[in-house]
Amino acid sequence: DVKVTQSSRYLVKRTGEKVFLECVQDMDHENMFWYRQDPGLGLRLIYFSYDVKMKEKGDIPEGYSVSREKKERFSLILESASTNQTSMYLCASSRTEIGYTFGSGTRLTVV
Amino acid sequence: DQQVKQNSPSLSVQEGRISILNCDYTNSMFDYFLWYKKYPAEGPTFLISISSIKDKNEDGRFTVFLNKSAKHLSLHIVPSQPGDSAVYFCAVNSGGSNYKLTFGKGTLLTVNP
Repeated sequence: DVKVTQSSRYLVKRTGEKVFLECVQDMDHENMFWYRQDPGLGLRLIYFSYDVKMKEKGDIPEGYSVSREKKERFSLILESASTNQTSMYLCASSRTEIGYTFGSGTRLTVV
Repeated sequence: DQQVKQNSPSLSVQEGRISILNCDYTNSMFDYFLWYKKYPAEGPTFLISISSIKDKNEDGRFTVFLNKSAKHLSLHIVPSQPGDSAVYFCAVNSGGSNYKLTFGKGTLLTVNP
């Protein structure tokens, strides 16, 4: 069974902390994505990567960075967490548009 | 500027009846459209898709209709079941060969027994 695994289901961090969200896929997909889901706003793309060490900004990249050192791993970094980054974070990987597989999500709370 | 709009935040239907979820898009160059379903505390899962060269695609109880002239697609679920209760997201391929998807805000479907 193919999988996208996000390292934490729930995280609580303090304002100003550096936060790492990890995502690993076992499908050998080239493309990986980070979205956040907020009530009334749907899924919004933060960053994506179409190859190792390649990254592109999505629609809301401010306050975030990413790292992709290996094909299977895509990390989202909050350089200095703020309360408006409290959200559900979803990682996905794909080879085609119908092959978009999501992880179970990380519910991040910044206090 | 929303490229994909789901104007109904919620929809409630009775078990056994038809559920119709709607989605509008702005760019006539979009060529692939998808529906995803999301339960609470889980990631979205792919439900059904349609290419711009078609106007209808069926998969069991789920049918997606595409009206390119109106830039409108809809998802029909017949018959609706309580297990269909979830948030449904419409998505379009807006990233070409990078397969970047742009999602609508979602519609919460509640199917009442």
